[in-house]
Amino acid sequence: GAVVSQHPSWVICKSGTSVKIECRSLDFQATTMFWYRQFPKQSLMLMATSNEGSKATYEQGVEKDKFLINHASLTLSTLTVTSAHPEDSSFYICSARDRRNVGYTFGSGTRLTVV
Amino acid sequence: GESVGLHLPTLSVQEGDNSIINCAYSNSASDYFIWYKQESGKGPQFIIDIRSNMDKRQGQRVTVLLNKTVKHLSLQIAATQPGDSAVYFCAETTGGGNKLTFGTGTQLKVEL
Repeated sequence: GAVVSQHPSWVICKSGTSVKIECRSLDFQATTMFWYRQFPKQSLMLMATSNEGSKATYEQGVEKDKFLINHASLTLSTLTVTSAHPEDSSFYICSARDRRNVGYTFGSGTRLTVV
Repeated sequence: GESVGLHLPTLSVQEGDNSIINCAYSNSASDYFIWYKQESGKGPQFIIDIRSNMDKRQGQRVTVLLNKTVKHLSLQIAATQPGDSAVYFCAETTGGGNKLTFGTGTQLKVEL
């Protein structure tokens, strides 16, 4: 079945630095990728939707200059948290859909801790 | 705004019993629903889905029921096992769109 690989699985960074999270579709072409954020004991909140080759669409309240999303190829999307602060500490999860728009395949998530 | 929510934050069941997890949604235009299982520190795992033109769908040990009249969705797990312990989310899309909206989640605890 469809597999999405997310890397790293966890990262600790210092406040003020930037962190990049990668999301790769391993066996299908992901025309659309989604980025979610999940705080402890809460639900997944959609941050943005990205389509290959075009700019991401951000949800209301999500700062596009802080959470940079790149979807330059059909198998890779990246989320860069710029100038990270402790309040950005969260579990970030990506999801991908293929050309047929059948199903959503999720990555295993990235635990970001900003100290 | 529109939202998808759950009635019970925590559900404890005995091993071998059946579990029923409920979900209420508010958007009458929602037309596709998915149940996910999420274990601690992992991404959501697809369990079963249902489209709005159906009211029941069965999988292996799981059944999803959809009641569009009262905008209610449920997930039934037969013969619940310790490995079923996780947080379960319902999610929905509207109008064939891409955006998947998640409910608040229910923690299922299976007691031996």
